[in-house]
Amino acid sequence: EADIYQTPRYLVIGTGKKITLECSQTMGHDKMYWYQQDPGMELHLIHYSYGVNSTEKGDLSSESTVSRIRTEHFPLTLESARPSHTSQYLCASSDGGRFSPYEQYFGPGTRLTVT
Amino acid sequence: GENVEQHPSTLSVQEGDSAVIKCTYSDSASNYFPWYKQELGKRPQLIIDIRSNVGEKKDQRIAVTLNKTAKHFSLHITETQPEDSAVYFCAASLSNFGNEKLTFGTGTRLTIIP
Repeated sequence: EADIYQTPRYLVIGTGKKITLECSQTMGHDKMYWYQQDPGMELHLIHYSYGVNSTEKGDLSSESTVSRIRTEHFPLTLESARPSHTSQYLCASSDGGRFSPYEQYFGPGTRLTVT
Repeated sequence: GENVEQHPSTLSVQEGDSAVIKCTYSDSASNYFPWYKQELGKRPQLIIDIRSNVGEKKDQRIAVTLNKTAKHFSLHITETQPEDSAVYFCAASLSNFGNEKLTFGTGTRLTIIP
């Protein structure tokens, strides 16, 4: 079934650790996004990509980095985690208007806690 | 950049009554306005959207209206049901082939009282 997947779903790590949050989609979408969201609160765009080898920073300043080497894969990396990074991270994708114009499909999220 | 304001932040309505959520945007060039629903512990899902060349769009019990001159748009839910309880987010975007970056509002927590 076509979907968007995120792993891990929950992660508790210590300050200073390097982590990578995985996002994969089997929907054949070109465009992918990372959002940061505190539970029930506003979604802040932190990174986006319009295709392979394309990445841009979003509106919210973030100390994370992303890569897009394959169409279906868009991992997010924190080089040195801090307590201020504690939040939920949502990955999303869209087909850019080919079939369902501009709708973004979200993954289930990764809830990160940095101690 | 775009700025989207959303009101109210919380809303409680009796089951069967109507609910209205309002958003304003700052960039007059924005041309795409979706609404997302996020149930507790779930991922956001698109429920309805509208383009700037349309003033109103309906889908069963939900409708969205857009006033380009005033730069505001609203979500209307009629005959509310318990399953409508969720957080609703409006968003705005300048959708221009290859650019669908959404700016979200701060969300409205809607509670339907049985």
